[in-house]
Amino acid sequence: DQQVKQNSPSLSVQEGRISILNCDYTNSMFDYFLWYKKYPAEGPTFLISISSIKDKNEDGRFTVFLNKSAKHLSLHIVPSQPGDSAVYFCAAEKTDKLIFGTGTRLQVFP
Amino acid sequence: SQTIHQWPATLVQPVGSPLSLECTVEGTSNPNLYWYRQAAGRGLQLLFYSVGIGQISSEVPQNLSASRPQDRQFILSSKKLLLSDSGFYLCAWRLQGAVEAFFGQGTRLTVV
Repeated sequence: DQQVKQNSPSLSVQEGRISILNCDYTNSMFDYFLWYKKYPAEGPTFLISISSIKDKNEDGRFTVFLNKSAKHLSLHIVPSQPGDSAVYFCAAEKTDKLIFGTGTRLQVFP
Repeated sequence: SQTIHQWPATLVQPVGSPLSLECTVEGTSNPNLYWYRQAAGRGLQLLFYSVGIGQISSEVPQNLSASRPQDRQFILSSKKLLLSDSGFYLCAWRLQGAVEAFFGQGTRLTVV
């Protein structure tokens, strides 16, 4: 069973606009949620995280929102830049396990 | 500073051959270690994780096994590879109690 889901396989956004990537989860016992960015043939790199007791965390151009009642989190990138083009994975953590979603490919065009 | 090494970067193996992928972490002790696989068109699937030497948790029953013979060494193995074992394998480490995990550069395995 897929405990962490990213239902949009791809997203295309114009440079300077906002990118919103979404993620849903099924297990309400997760302690933390994370977002990673991945380029082809490389390992993912950490972007931002949020505790399950928070509803928002911001780091520069990246903001993660958590809606516990809906079991939904989103990553906002403002403003989007061409270098943001990559695959974005959300992940959920519980007791040493780190479970990833299926990823969303973001393309930022000029 | 901590670093993670994963090798080889690419590997082409025939069906039925054995597999051994190695991952080592430097600059830390007693990390949690993870093996993930990214198959074509799929997300990052957690295969195994370890919280200490000799302690392995398996997430997906399959043709693979993992071992942790030393504190900072994590090995992914198979006795006989299947075509379905092809994919991009990633090792990761995380300090116990920390949130962020750090990934290696990955191994592209193609079973032919």
